[in-house]
This record gives sequence, structure tokens and C-alpha cells, in this order.
Amino acid sequence: KQEVTQIPAALSVPEGENLVLNCSFTDSAIYNLQWFRQDPGKGLTSLLLIQSSQREQTSGRLNASLDKSSGRSTLYIAASQPGDSATYLCAVRGYQKVTFGIGTKLQVIP
Amino acid sequence: DGGITQSPKYLFRKEGQNVTLSCEQNLNHDAMYWYRQDPGQGLRLIYYSQIVNDFQKGDIAEGYSVSREKKESFPLTVTSAQKNPTAFYLCASNPNGDSGPQHFGDGTRLSIL
Repeated sequence: KQEVTQIPAALSVPEGENLVLNCSFTDSAIYNLQWFRQDPGKGLTSLLLIQSSQREQTSGRLNASLDKSSGRSTLYIAASQPGDSATYLCAVRGYQKVTFGIGTKLQVIP
Repeated sequence: DGGITQSPKYLFRKEGQNVTLSCEQNLNHDAMYWYRQDPGQGLRLIYYSQIVNDFQKGDIAEGYSVSREKKESFPLTVTSAQKNPTAFYLCASNPNGDSGPQHFGDGTRLSIL
């Protein structure tokens, strides 16, 4: 059974700092890994999708990496802003199933 | 703009009552999903459908029912058999196959009166 763990559970940083969020998974037989952002009381917004054959994806200030063999992914956020404050979730897709982590709650302090 | 619309945003259920949550997508996606989100837990899969007129139970299907009569629509009914229905419900879709990204609606928060 796939298990997804996100560390840390919460993170508070000053504005402008670069930061890394971690996601680990137990079963490396995945099709892809997706990073989402969730604002309070809202649905999930897709940030980046990495296919199992890829090593990383970039979008603006965000960079996600995937090391399938070790079961790890990181989301790097450069030059953080208060608007980045949200919960960040990772999700891994296996055969007919997507497994989600609980998320990392990020607060960026002005 | 293409997307997923969930309604209502807030819903209240009385004892013994069935309630239905709506999910509509105009993304032309084949696969649709219902998840439940509780504080401190990851999203848990209730039901999913990969094609019209077919759906499968997820990890926590007891007390819920769905239908998929149209590609665009995947309503979820929370029945009176679901004893702890208070949660945030999220609908998602993706193109069929295992490589496409999941897209989510804005969710419905269900509470007990």
C-alpha cells in the first residue's frame, strides 16, 4: 500500500527566503507525482506535474524534482512571498489510484 | 474557461436525510473522482468513474452513492447510512490514462444540523 509523507508539517519563513518542501513515498512504481497548493476552504490548485520518466519540472519560482528510486520529491520555492502562504500537498499516481500526503502548511511572514 | 464546478459550497444535513453534492466539468475528461478531506488526514477516495455508466468504489465508499449518466456530471449522494458525514468534499477529474494531471473543484463543506 502506497504511503506518502510530507515533512515538515508546518513551516514559517520570512519573506524573500528560499525554501524546500519534502515529499516521500513508499512504492516507487508510480506514473507521476503532482504538487498542489490549497488555500483555506478551497480546492486544490495544480502547481507542477512530474512524469515518472522525468527528473524535474519548473514553473516560475517553483521547481520540483523527483527521485523515483529513492521515493522522494522536493518542491523548491525561490524568493518566497506572503502570497505563497498556503498548504502544499504532493500526490503520487499509481495504477488506478492517487495517494495524497497530508501537506505542509507554509506561512511566509512579511 | 474550462474547469470543475461543485455546488453547493456549503450544505447542511439533518438526521436521516440524504443529500446530493453536484460536480460538473467542461474539460472533456473521461475520469472523475470524489474525495473526502478531514483535518489532519490526506484526501481519501470515495468513488471514481473512468467512463460513462461505470464507476468503482474507493477506500471509503460505505454510506455514499454515485451515478455517471453523462460525461460532464458525477453527483455524489451522502446517505443517512454515513454516520460521520461532516467533512470537506472534493471532486476531481483527469483525462483517461495514468499520465494526466488531476484538476479539482472548489469543494463542498458538509455539516450536520
